Amino acid sequence: SAVISQKPSRDICQRGTSLTIQCQVDSQVTMMFWYRQQPGQSLTLIATANQGSEATYESGFVIDKFPISRPNLTFSTLTVSNMSPEDSSIYLCSSTALGTDTQYFGPGTRLTVL
Amino acid sequence: GQQLNQSPQSMFIQEGEDVSMNCTSSSIFNTWLWYKQDPGEGPVLLIALYKAGELTSNGRLTAQFGITRKDSFLNISASIPSDVGIYFCAGQTGTASKLTFGTGTRLQVTL
Repeated sequence: SAVISQKPSRDICQRGTSLTIQCQVDSQVTMMFWYRQQPGQSLTLIATANQGSEATYESGFVIDKFPISRPNLTFSTLTVSNMSPEDSSIYLCSSTALGTDTQYFGPGTRLTVL
Repeated sequence: GQQLNQSPQSMFIQEGEDVSMNCTSSSIFNTWLWYKQDPGEGPVLLIALYKAGELTSNGRLTAQFGITRKDSFLNISASIPSDVGIYFCAGQTGTASKLTFGTGTRLQVTL
């Protein structure tokens, strides 16, 4: 399975600011995804990060709030824009390795918005 | 949208006991996955199931893909303290497609 790292691992941010989270995979992958896990809850898919084109967002998530980039096969970023306390969550990226359909997850970024 | 319901929501068991949890869906999935999440970590894949009726083991863990494609269960035999964590089922409808996660089962083991 691919090894996935995320930066930062955690952050505390002020209301109204933006934070960009990085996801790096150690091998070429096909699909990359971004999930949100609100406190005490399950994981919810935000969007699929497409290489070289706009991300595909799930219902309830929009590009202006969660812009995503994927400049190559091993790297993606998620920005949480104009943050409010309701954005306090763990943000996780996942990927599927070439030739498989199974998703593996990064360690997550724990975001607290004051 | 699709929802996966897991039961039980949480459980306390004694070390050495067997554990059983299940996941049900209102719609069909082609792949079922079971993940475990420890505090401060991302989910780690335990078992993947690809065919209706399939029974797969990974050490002390056994999982089955329900014949109707709408459910799955996970059994843990002879639980140990490191089994503590949250277990999530997840369903996938097509190849390399998004995952729909279950509500989670929190497992706590007492010595």
